Amino acid sequence: AQTVTQSQPEMSVQEAETVTLSCTYDTSENNYYLFWYKQPPSRQMILVIRQEAYKQQNATENRFSVNFQKAAKSFSLKISDSQLGDTAMYFCAYCNSGGYQKVTFGTGTKLQVIP
Amino acid sequence: DAGVIQSPRHEVTEMGQEVTLRCKPISGHNSLFWYRQTMMRGLELLIYFNNNVPIDDSGMPEDRFSAKMPNASFSTLKIQPSEPRDSAVYFCATQNVQGSSYAEAFFGQGTRLTVV
Repeated sequence: AQTVTQSQPEMSVQEAETVTLSCTYDTSENNYYLFWYKQPPSRQMILVIRQEAYKQQNATENRFSVNFQKAAKSFSLKISDSQLGDTAMYFCAYCNSGGYQKVTFGTGTKLQVIP
Repeated sequence: DAGVIQSPRHEVTEMGQEVTLRCKPISGHNSLFWYRQTMMRGLELLIYFNNNVPIDDSGMPEDRFSAKMPNASFSTLKIQPSEPRDSAVYFCATQNVQGSSYAEAFFGQGTRLTVV
């Protein structure tokens, strides 16, 4: 079974600074997807960024980028120029490729952006 | 599209009562998941439907929980009888899976259940 581990329950960062959230996962599959979801206080789950395992290039979405290390099974999220609106829970997630795309989540990291 | 719609947004019920949570998928989506979120366990998958058929219910905690998808437009998650430890946020998420291509999962806003 696939597992996703986030070892940082809480983090804080000064506004405009950069922060990195860590995630490791375990799988025996070669093809899969990795995600970071953001959950603000509104509870809505928002997809921040996605990485396909077969792509070596790290995904980037504006201020959000990932460091994907397939051999090490590591998938960290970097948030640049942190904004107050980035305050939220962040979940790392894994999804296998194929018809049954079950998403397995980590336990989350609570990020607080400090003005 | 209005997205995945869950109702109610909040539910408070007494222990022993039956609770029914509802989900309306995005039109055209053929896969549906029910997740439970708690502080202790994070987000746990309860059950997965594909084309209205339950494919994986290994995450359903016990017989008190049941889920149905009578058609492509509607799913329910029922707890009978409810217990205080069922208090959690329950999410529904849907996808439009075509073959093995990636299909983004869209989440509803969740139902916060409190059992007193």
